[in-house]
Amino acid sequence: DTEVTQTPKHLVMGMTNKKSLKCEQHMGHRAMYWYKQKAKKPPELMFVYSYEKLSINESVPSRFSPECPNSSLLNLHLHALQPEDSALYLCASSSGVGYNEQFFGPGTRLTVL
Amino acid sequence: EDKVVQSPLSLVVHEGDTVTLNCSYEVTNFRSLLWYKQEKKAPTFLFMLTSSGIEKKSGRLSSILDKKELFSILNITATQTGDSAVYLCAVGAGGTSYGKLTFGQGTILTVHP
Repeated sequence: DTEVTQTPKHLVMGMTNKKSLKCEQHMGHRAMYWYKQKAKKPPELMFVYSYEKLSINESVPSRFSPECPNSSLLNLHLHALQPEDSALYLCASSSGVGYNEQFFGPGTRLTVL
Repeated sequence: EDKVVQSPLSLVVHEGDTVTLNCSYEVTNFRSLLWYKQEKKAPTFLFMLTSSGIEKKSGRLSSILDKKELFSILNITATQTGDSAVYLCAVGAGGTSYGKLTFGQGTILTVHP
């Protein structure tokens, strides 16, 4: 299985809602990543998890809260988002943090009203 | 601050043409350079380059890295309409940025029949 899966594919939420994005991989990878991608822009790194521990937080606002329950799963909890947070959220994984070859999931298209 | 610059930003060609996409970088503690193809959703991995002067090939696509001049090129020969996509260059670093990929802004390639 060489796939990273993400759910949901699309999400519309209000500014007062709480929602979660989920990411799963079964490649035995030990590093997982969250990226944010705005239209016509490259992906921007948000968080890096290595062996289920947060290793990089790119100064992301606290309304985004990552969680890595086990080595196959990565969640992104969303609360009190702003309309400017609307974007494609991509999850990726790699064998380890030292292995830069990252494999991306299909993304969740998030719209904040 | 790490920087990755791609050129051209967009390119329109006809089927059968050969294209060359460029990527230059200024990165502290360089580890690797990666090329991705992004169509509607997730970036799909094409190549990872770590050594200078060694060409990587996959079908009609090839890429090479020059670590002295700090750039890479991606060549696509005999282009097809299915090659239409955004091509992203990303650089992986070490040190305090261990695990982080910095992306260029991408080259939009359009191949007309």
